[in-house]
Amino acid sequence: GAGVSQSPSNKVTEKGKDVELRCDPISGHTALYWYRQSLGQGLEFLIYFQGNSAPDKSGLPSDRFSAERTGGSVSTLTIQRTQQEDSAVYLCASSLVQAGGSETQYFGPGTRLLVL
Amino acid sequence: SQQGEEDPQALSIQEGENATMNCSYKTSINNLQWYRQNSGRGLVHLILIRSNEREKHSGRLRVTLDTSKKSSSLLITASRAADTASYFCAPNQAGTALIFGKGTTLSVSS
Repeated sequence: GAGVSQSPSNKVTEKGKDVELRCDPISGHTALYWYRQSLGQGLEFLIYFQGNSAPDKSGLPSDRFSAERTGGSVSTLTIQRTQQEDSAVYLCASSLVQAGGSETQYFGPGTRLLVL
Repeated sequence: SQQGEEDPQALSIQEGENATMNCSYKTSINNLQWYRQNSGRGLVHLILIRSNEREKHSGRLRVTLDTSKKSSSLLITASRAADTASYFCAPNQAGTALIFGKGTTLSVSS
């Protein structure tokens, strides 16, 4: 079956504009994650959705960042009033949570965001 | 959720040599996973070791887990230039988010 897909693959925007990034997880996967990776840095956890539970938003860097997951499937990460420091690769991953906590994450190709 | 800490941050070796990367974590886990990342794209799952396992092999990969020391190691034997990548560990607790650290950047030169 298809893997995790993300769109757009690249996005260039002007400072102050809003952007929406989309993630289509693997069908049937109950968990969905968003991460951010700046050039040469490790992964920064942003937000985690698991089933119908309230999302873990502990990684969102500011209130300009928000995410939703509609119908337990597709997710959209929205960045309002973008700043230059928001420039990064935004990665989405999904997994099937199993008993005992074992969950292999499958990553999408990422969206490269450049804020001018 | 907890984050693993990889060590060293960077490792440079010659083809054919073995590469060892370490991971430390703080609280109890159900399992620990290792991932690989090429060129800033998505991570790829390499291997999962459960908390009741001490060692696991997959091809040229060997993972150990010492829950008493809260540490794990990833050994890549007979390294190749194609192994050049960043490697991340992720200690996993049931019901919590899988969080990654900064990783170890491995460079294998021919």
